[in-house]
Amino acid sequence: KQEVTQIPAALSVPEGENLVLNCSFTDSAIYNLQWFRQDPGKGLTSLLLIQSSQREQTSGRLNASLDKSSGRSTLYIAASQPGDSATYLCAVNADFNKFYFGSGTKLNVKP
Amino acid sequence: GAGVSQSPSNKVTEKGKDVELRCDPISGHTALYWYRQSLGQGLEFLIYFQGNSAPDKSGLPSDRFSAERTGGSVSTLTIQRTQQEDSAVYLCASSPGGRADNYNEQFFGPGTRLTVL
Repeated sequence: KQEVTQIPAALSVPEGENLVLNCSFTDSAIYNLQWFRQDPGKGLTSLLLIQSSQREQTSGRLNASLDKSSGRSTLYIAASQPGDSATYLCAVNADFNKFYFGSGTKLNVKP
Repeated sequence: GAGVSQSPSNKVTEKGKDVELRCDPISGHTALYWYRQSLGQGLEFLIYFQGNSAPDKSGLPSDRFSAERTGGSVSTLTIQRTQQEDSAVYLCASSPGGRADNYNEQFFGPGTRLTVL
């Protein structure tokens, strides 16, 4: 069974810092990897989707990379802002319709 | 366009009662998923619908849980004889399917918070 791990579990940084969130998975046979953010009491908002054939995706201040062979993905957030404070989840699409989620990294960006 | 919607947003019920949770996926999306998120836990897959194919029910935790999707659109998750351990946030997601570049990208609704007293 696919296992997805996110490190760190929590992170607190001052505004303006660049930061990296990590996601690792145990089985490299994946269809895609998706990064989400979840605000308290809300659903998940899709940030970036990386298909298995891709190495990275960018959206604004966010950049996600994928290294299937090593079972790793990173989410890079540039010039962090207080509005970036949320829990960030990664999900791996391993079987055709099965998505395996990490437990998330809770990010706090201090003004 | 409109995103995934879920209703009700909050549901408080008494142990032993039945509840129905509703999900309206994004128009045109062929795939629909139900997940459960318990306090401090990750997302737990419950059930998957794809078009007119038989659903994948492998994640349903017991036979008290069932779901249907009518007309390939709206879905209802039913929990019979609710137990306190059923308390959680129930999330629905849909994906475009078909030949779109993002055919397997998941879009989530806001969730239904279920509390069983």
